[in-house]
Amino acid sequence: SYVLTQPPSVSVAPGQTARITCGGNSIGRKAVHWYQQRPGQAPKLVLYDDNDRPSGIPERFSGSNSGNTATLTISRVEGGDEADYYCQVWDGITDHVIFGGGTKLSVL
Amino acid sequence: QLQLQESGPGLVKPSGTLSLTCTVSGGSISSRNYYWAWIRQPPGKGLEWIGNFFYSGRTNYNSSLKSRVTISVDTSKNQFSLKLDSLTAADTAVYYCATIIRIASRPYWFDPWGQGTLVTVSS
Repeated sequence: SYVLTQPPSVSVAPGQTARITCGGNSIGRKAVHWYQQRPGQAPKLVLYDDNDRPSGIPERFSGSNSGNTATLTISRVEGGDEADYYCQVWDGITDHVIFGGGTKLSVL
Repeated sequence: QLQLQESGPGLVKPSGTLSLTCTVSGGSISSRNYYWAWIRQPPGKGLEWIGNFFYSGRTNYNSSLKSRVTISVDTSKNQFSLKLDSLTAADTAVYYCATIIRIASRPYWFDPWGQGTLVTVSS
C-alpha cells in the first residue's frame, strides 16, 4: 500500500520559514493536498493540488511537489501557525485516500 | 457554502455498532461534484480515511476496515451515515464527515469538514 512519510515535528522561530516534507514513492506524479489542524479543531484545507490556496489562506503558505517529496512551506511564521499539518493524496492503484502521519509545527 | 454536522451517540459498548449521521447543508448530497466521506482520528494520533460514498450508490472503503463498515445516504434528508460493527477500544476516536471534491471521477481534496464527534468504546 502507498505510504506518506512526514517528520513528526518541526520547530521554527517566529518570522522564519518552516518547511514540512511529505515523502512518497513518485509522489510528484500525484496531486498533494495539505491540512492544518489546530488543537481541538477539525482539519482545515490550506493547500490543494500541490500549490493552490483556498480562499482565505495567506500567501505565506506555498507548496511544491517533485520526485519523491512534496513540501509545504510557511513563510514568516506566526504563533497562530502552530498546529499539526497533514499531507494527503489519492492512490489510484488501490483507490484509497492516504494521509501522512502528520507533523507538529512548533513556533519557538 | 457547504456545511457538515455529525451526530450520534458518544459512547458505545464493545462488540456493538457505531452509528453516526452527517447532515449536509448549503448544497445537495446528489451533486456529481462531490464524494461524501468519513475520517477518524484516535486520541493523540493521525487521520485515518474510513471510506466515501458517491450519490450514485458507489462506495469505497479502507481495506483495513472494509469488513466492518457501511456508508449509506438518505437523499430525502440530505444526510449520509456511517455504521461500524464489532467495536473494540481501538475504534475510540473523533469521527469526522467531510466532502471530497470530485474531478474527472477521482477524489481530490477534503473541504469542508464537519466539526467532529468523539466516540468512546467502553463498557
